[in-house]
Amino acid sequence: AQTVTQSQPEMSVQEAETVTLSCTYDTSENNYYLFWYKQPPSRQMILVIRQEAYKQQNATENRFSVNFQKAAKSFSLKISDSQLGDTAMYFCAFSTGNQFYFGTGTSLTVIP
Amino acid sequence: DAMVIQNPRYQVTQFGKPVTLSCSQTLNHNVMYWYQQKSSQAPKLLFHYYDKDFNNEADTPDNFQSRRPNTSFCFLDIRSPGLGDAAMYLCATSRDLGVNTQYFGPGTRLTVL
Repeated sequence: AQTVTQSQPEMSVQEAETVTLSCTYDTSENNYYLFWYKQPPSRQMILVIRQEAYKQQNATENRFSVNFQKAAKSFSLKISDSQLGDTAMYFCAFSTGNQFYFGTGTSLTVIP
Repeated sequence: DAMVIQNPRYQVTQFGKPVTLSCSQTLNHNVMYWYQQKSSQAPKLLFHYYDKDFNNEADTPDNFQSRRPNTSFCFLDIRSPGLGDAAMYLCATSRDLGVNTQYFGPGTRLTVL
């Protein structure tokens, strides 16, 4: 069975600082995708970044980057130069075949 | 431009009174999903359609049904809502199954009185 674990229910960071959200997963599959989704207080879920498991290079999208450690089954999200608009719930997600699994989420607060 | 639209954004129903939530998409995606999300929890997949093929999650109660009359629209029917069904219901789409990115609608918040 596939599982996604986010061990940090809540985090906070000062504006302009860097924060890392952790995510681990468990699977026996070799081909899969990993995602980070952001759900702001307005509740619409949007994709932040995604990583293909067969790619060794870590994905980057502007201030967002991942540290993908396939052997360790770890997929952390780094947010650089944190902004007030980054305040949201962040969900790590895993997908393979017909299934899509979410972690329980990390609530991030950016403090002015 | 809105790509995944959910109506209504807020829905109030009475205990046991059937309710239908609507989702439409302009992306022409093959797959449409319905999730239930309770406060401070991860979205829980209820079911999905790949084109016209319906796939129900094993633990989705029979009280929840879905219809997809065409590519663009998908409906969630709750036949007899209970207090425990009060939640945010999220619709999502993806081009294909599994490894494709899902695009979410804004959700419908259901209140059961």
